[in-house]
Amino acid sequence: GAGVSQTPSNKVTEKGKYVELRCDPISGHTALYWYRQSLGQGPEFLIYFQGTGAADDSGLPNDRFFAVRPEGSVSTLKIQRTERGDSAVYLCASSLALFLGGPYSTDTQYFGPGTRLTVL
Amino acid sequence: AQSVTQLDSQVPVFEEAPVELRCNYSSSVSVYLFWYVQYPNQGLQLLLKYLSGSTLVKGINGFEAEFNKSQTSFHLRKPSVHISDTAEYFCAVSENSNTGKLIFGQGTTLQVKP
Repeated sequence: GAGVSQTPSNKVTEKGKYVELRCDPISGHTALYWYRQSLGQGPEFLIYFQGTGAADDSGLPNDRFFAVRPEGSVSTLKIQRTERGDSAVYLCASSLALFLGGPYSTDTQYFGPGTRLTVL
Repeated sequence: AQSVTQLDSQVPVFEEAPVELRCNYSSSVSVYLFWYVQYPNQGLQLLLKYLSGSTLVKGINGFEAEFNKSQTSFHLRKPSVHISDTAEYFCAVSENSNTGKLIFGQGTTLQVKP
Protein backbone atom coordinates (compact mmCIF):
# COMPACT_ATOMS: atom_id res chain seq x y z
CA GLY A 1 0.00 0.00 0.00
CA ALA A 2 0.92 3.66 -0.15
CA GLY A 3 3.42 4.94 2.36
CA VAL A 4 3.72 8.32 4.01
CA SER A 5 3.87 11.09 1.45
CA GLN A 6 5.12 14.64 1.88
CA THR A 7 4.73 17.67 -0.35
CA PRO A 8 6.52 19.53 -1.66
CA SER A 9 9.72 17.51 -1.87
CA ASN A 10 11.71 20.72 -2.06
CA LYS A 11 10.83 24.24 -0.99
CA VAL A 12 13.00 27.30 -1.46
CA THR A 13 11.85 30.50 0.18
CA GLU A 14 13.19 33.83 1.26
CA LYS A 15 13.88 34.92 4.79
CA GLY A 16 10.75 36.28 6.43
CA LYS A 17 8.27 34.37 4.27
CA TYR A 18 5.59 31.93 5.42
CA VAL A 19 5.69 28.26 4.38
CA GLU A 20 3.43 25.25 4.72
CA LEU A 21 4.61 21.66 4.55
CA ARG A 22 2.12 18.87 4.07
CA CYS A 23 2.11 15.27 5.28
CA ASP A 24 -0.22 12.47 4.20
CA PRO A 25 0.11 9.56 6.65
CA ILE A 26 -0.59 5.93 5.95
CA SER A 27 -4.34 5.36 5.85
CA GLY A 28 -5.67 4.31 9.25
CA HIS A 29 -2.66 5.51 11.22
CA THR A 30 -3.84 7.61 14.12
CA ALA A 31 -0.45 8.79 15.38
CA LEU A 32 1.52 11.37 13.37
CA TYR A 33 4.94 12.86 14.11
CA TRP A 34 7.01 15.71 12.70
CA TYR A 35 10.78 15.71 12.95
CA ARG A 36 13.45 18.06 11.62
CA GLN A 37 16.80 16.85 10.32
CA SER A 38 19.60 19.35 9.93
CA LEU A 39 22.61 18.57 7.79
CA GLY A 40 24.81 15.91 9.37
CA GLN A 41 22.45 15.36 12.30
CA GLY A 42 19.85 12.85 13.32
CA PRO A 43 16.15 13.72 13.18
CA GLU A 44 14.91 15.94 16.00
CA PHE A 45 11.37 15.57 17.35
CA LEU A 46 9.04 18.52 16.83
CA ILE A 47 5.43 17.51 17.52
CA TYR A 48 3.18 14.47 17.92
CA PHE A 49 -0.50 14.15 17.08
CA GLN A 50 -2.86 11.49 18.34
CA GLY A 51 -5.91 11.89 16.16
CA THR A 52 -6.68 15.57 15.73
CA GLY A 53 -4.97 16.82 18.87
CA ALA A 54 -1.35 17.74 19.42
CA ALA A 55 -0.49 15.43 22.31
CA ASP A 56 3.12 16.61 22.61
CA ASP A 57 4.48 19.78 21.02
CA SER A 58 7.50 20.07 23.28
CA GLY A 59 9.91 19.94 20.35
CA LEU A 60 8.65 23.00 18.49
CA PRO A 61 11.55 25.46 18.68
CA ASN A 62 9.48 28.65 19.06
CA ASP A 63 6.08 30.16 18.34
CA ARG A 64 6.88 30.65 14.65
CA PHE A 65 6.24 26.93 14.23
CA PHE A 66 2.73 25.55 14.29
CA ALA A 67 1.14 22.32 13.08
CA VAL A 68 -2.45 21.18 12.56
CA ARG A 69 -4.26 17.97 11.79
CA PRO A 70 -7.90 19.06 11.58
CA GLU A 71 -9.47 15.79 10.45
CA GLY A 72 -7.08 13.35 12.03
CA SER A 73 -5.39 12.45 8.76
CA VAL A 74 -3.40 15.01 6.74
CA SER A 75 -1.17 17.33 8.74
CA THR A 76 0.34 20.68 7.85
CA LEU A 77 3.43 22.15 9.46
CA LYS A 78 3.41 25.92 9.25
CA ILE A 79 6.43 28.15 9.69
CA GLN A 80 6.03 31.93 9.95
CA ARG A 81 8.73 34.53 9.32
CA THR A 82 11.20 31.92 8.18
CA GLU A 83 14.84 32.28 9.15
CA ARG A 84 17.95 30.83 7.52
CA GLY A 85 18.36 28.56 10.54
CA ASP A 86 15.06 26.88 9.65
CA SER A 87 16.72 25.29 6.62
CA ALA A 88 16.55 21.52 7.08
CA VAL A 89 14.74 18.41 5.93
CA TYR A 90 11.36 18.13 7.61
CA LEU A 91 10.26 14.54 8.14
CA CYS A 92 6.82 13.20 8.85
CA ALA A 93 6.09 9.77 10.30
CA SER A 94 2.94 7.89 11.19
CA SER A 95 2.14 4.85 13.27
CA LEU A 96 -0.87 2.67 13.82
CA ALA A 97 -1.13 3.26 17.58
CA LEU A 98 -3.07 0.05 18.08
CA PHE A 99 -3.85 0.50 21.74
CA LEU A 100 -5.84 3.64 22.40
CA GLY A 101 -4.38 5.23 25.47
CA GLY A 102 -1.67 2.62 25.54
CA PRO A 103 2.08 2.61 25.07
CA TYR A 104 2.66 4.03 21.61
CA SER A 105 6.38 3.84 22.21
CA THR A 106 6.38 0.30 20.91
CA ASP A 107 4.76 1.12 17.59
CA THR A 108 6.85 1.28 14.45
CA GLN A 109 6.95 4.73 12.91
CA TYR A 110 6.88 4.87 9.12
CA PHE A 111 8.67 7.85 7.67
CA GLY A 112 8.00 9.87 4.58
CA PRO A 113 10.74 11.01 2.18
CA GLY A 114 10.86 14.47 3.72
CA THR A 115 10.59 18.06 2.52
CA ARG A 116 13.87 19.88 2.03
CA LEU A 117 13.35 23.49 3.11
CA THR A 118 15.91 26.08 2.06
CA VAL A 119 15.61 29.60 3.41
CA LEU A 120 17.69 32.10 1.46
CA ALA B 1 16.77 13.66 29.79
CA GLN B 2 17.37 10.99 27.23
CA SER B 3 20.26 11.11 24.80
CA VAL B 4 21.78 8.84 22.20
CA THR B 5 25.41 8.74 21.14
CA GLN B 6 26.64 7.05 18.02
CA LEU B 7 30.33 6.78 18.54
CA ASP B 8 31.40 6.65 14.90
CA SER B 9 30.33 9.20 12.32
CA GLN B 10 31.73 7.12 9.45
CA VAL B 11 32.57 3.45 9.18
CA PRO B 12 34.38 2.30 6.02
CA VAL B 13 34.43 -1.45 5.44
CA PHE B 14 35.15 -3.81 2.59
CA GLU B 15 32.42 -5.90 1.04
CA GLU B 16 31.81 -9.25 2.80
CA ALA B 17 33.58 -8.08 5.95
CA PRO B 18 31.73 -7.93 9.30
CA VAL B 19 30.65 -4.59 10.72
CA GLU B 20 29.55 -3.16 14.06
CA LEU B 21 27.93 0.23 14.45
CA ARG B 22 28.00 1.44 18.02
CA CYS B 23 25.21 3.11 19.94
CA ASN B 24 25.05 4.18 23.58
CA TYR B 25 22.13 5.82 25.30
CA SER B 26 21.36 7.50 28.59
CA SER B 27 18.01 7.49 30.28
CA SER B 28 16.69 7.43 33.81
CA VAL B 29 13.72 5.26 32.85
CA SER B 30 13.20 2.11 30.83
CA VAL B 31 13.43 2.62 27.10
CA TYR B 32 12.72 1.00 23.82
CA LEU B 33 15.53 0.95 21.26
CA PHE B 34 15.48 1.21 17.49
CA TRP B 35 17.80 1.19 14.51
CA TYR B 36 16.72 2.96 11.35
CA VAL B 37 18.47 3.03 7.96
CA GLN B 38 18.36 5.85 5.43
CA TYR B 39 19.41 4.90 1.92
CA PRO B 40 20.43 7.72 -0.45
CA ASN B 41 17.40 9.77 -1.49
CA GLN B 42 15.01 7.60 0.52
CA GLY B 43 13.11 7.91 3.77
CA LEU B 44 14.04 6.33 7.08
CA GLN B 45 13.26 2.62 7.29
CA LEU B 46 13.11 0.51 10.44
CA LEU B 47 15.82 -2.16 10.63
CA LEU B 48 14.93 -3.61 14.03
CA LYS B 49 13.68 -2.72 17.48
CA TYR B 50 14.12 -3.93 21.04
CA LEU B 51 11.04 -3.80 23.24
CA SER B 52 11.57 -6.55 25.82
CA GLY B 53 12.60 -10.17 26.15
CA SER B 54 15.66 -11.57 24.40
CA THR B 55 18.46 -9.05 24.29
CA LEU B 56 19.54 -10.19 20.82
CA VAL B 57 17.24 -8.76 18.19
CA LYS B 58 17.23 -9.79 14.56
CA GLY B 59 16.14 -7.39 11.84
CA ILE B 60 15.85 -7.11 8.11
CA ASN B 61 18.68 -7.54 5.62
CA GLY B 62 20.71 -9.75 7.96
CA PHE B 63 21.27 -7.12 10.65
CA GLU B 64 21.06 -7.84 14.36
CA ALA B 65 21.58 -5.82 17.52
CA GLU B 66 22.22 -6.65 21.14
CA PHE B 67 20.76 -4.73 24.05
CA ASN B 68 23.15 -4.43 26.99
CA LYS B 69 21.44 -2.77 29.93
CA SER B 70 24.52 -2.58 32.16
CA GLN B 71 26.51 -0.83 29.45
CA THR B 72 23.50 1.09 28.13
CA SER B 73 24.40 0.05 24.61
CA PHE B 74 22.55 -1.22 21.56
CA HIS B 75 25.21 -2.01 18.96
CA LEU B 76 24.22 -3.03 15.44
CA ARG B 77 26.06 -5.86 13.69
CA LYS B 78 26.14 -7.68 10.40
CA PRO B 79 28.48 -10.62 9.74
CA SER B 80 28.99 -9.88 6.05
CA VAL B 81 28.10 -6.59 4.39
CA HIS B 82 27.16 -5.88 0.79
CA ILE B 83 27.66 -2.82 -1.37
CA SER B 84 23.93 -2.23 -1.08
CA ASP B 85 24.27 -1.73 2.70
CA THR B 86 25.94 1.63 2.06
CA ALA B 87 23.66 4.07 3.87
CA GLU B 88 23.19 6.25 6.94
CA TYR B 89 22.24 4.37 10.10
CA PHE B 90 20.45 5.95 13.04
CA CYS B 91 20.03 4.61 16.54
CA ALA B 92 17.00 5.90 18.45
CA VAL B 93 15.34 5.51 21.85
CA SER B 94 11.82 5.99 23.04
CA GLU B 95 10.71 6.15 26.65
CA ASN B 96 8.08 3.77 27.92
CA SER B 97 5.43 6.46 27.70
CA ASN B 98 2.33 7.41 25.82
CA THR B 99 3.91 9.56 23.15
CA GLY B 100 6.31 7.37 21.23
CA LYS B 101 8.55 10.25 20.28
CA LEU B 102 11.99 9.11 19.19
CA ILE B 103 15.31 10.57 20.26
CA PHE B 104 17.88 9.94 17.54
CA GLY B 105 21.64 9.73 17.52
CA GLN B 106 23.71 11.73 15.09
CA GLY B 107 23.94 8.88 12.61
CA THR B 108 26.72 6.67 11.26
CA THR B 109 27.58 6.52 7.57
CA LEU B 110 28.41 2.99 6.53
CA GLN B 111 30.58 2.98 3.41
CA VAL B 112 30.99 -0.46 1.88
CA LYS B 113 33.86 -0.68 -0.56
CA PRO B 114 34.30 -3.35 -3.25
